[in-house]
Amino acid sequence: DVKVTQSSRYLVKRTGEKVFLECVQDMDHENMFWYRQDPGLGLRLIYFSYDVKMKEKGDIPEGYSVSREKKERFSLILESASTNQTSMYLCAASGATLSNTGELFFGEGSRLTVL
Amino acid sequence: QKEVEQNSGPLSVPEGAIASLNCTYSDRGSQSFFWYRQYSGKSPELIMFIYSNGDKEDGRFTAQLNKASQYVSLLIRDSQPSDSATYLCAVEGGSYIPTFGRGTSLIVHP
Repeated sequence: DVKVTQSSRYLVKRTGEKVFLECVQDMDHENMFWYRQDPGLGLRLIYFSYDVKMKEKGDIPEGYSVSREKKERFSLILESASTNQTSMYLCAASGATLSNTGELFFGEGSRLTVL
Repeated sequence: QKEVEQNSGPLSVPEGAIASLNCTYSDRGSQSFFWYRQYSGKSPELIMFIYSNGDKEDGRFTAQLNKASQYVSLLIRDSQPSDSATYLCAVEGGSYIPTFGRGTSLIVHP
């Protein structure tokens, strides 16, 4: 069965700290995504990657960066956490291509609180 | 900016009734349409997808697509309390990057 694993379910960090959120998939999918989900705002795309070392900005990339050194791993980095980055972060993977759409498989989510 | 609109709800229906969830989208070039279900505290999971105009049925679920009117809907027949969740509509325009609506909260009461 398809699996996307996020390293931490709950994190509490202080303002200004550097935060790493890790995501690993076992499906050999090319595409990986980072979303944040906030009440009333739905899922918003932060960054996505369609190949190793490739990354594209989503709708809300400010304050975030990503790293994809291996196909199975996609990391989200908050260089200097701020309180407005308190949110649920969801990683997803898909095997979609331009000629073949596909579903997103989500990890369980990482709930980040920045104090 | 591609937009996907859903009524946030909550939509409340009695057990055994038909729940109708609607979604409209702005990009006429959209090609693929997905419905995800998200239980409280859990991640979204795919329940239906549709590519062609018309209806697609899977068990108690029916997805309906009307590209001319730019809407897609999800019908849940014989609604059960276990169907209570938030339903997310997602639309893809050929770039394999879906745009999500904000979701509709469904409550099925006994």
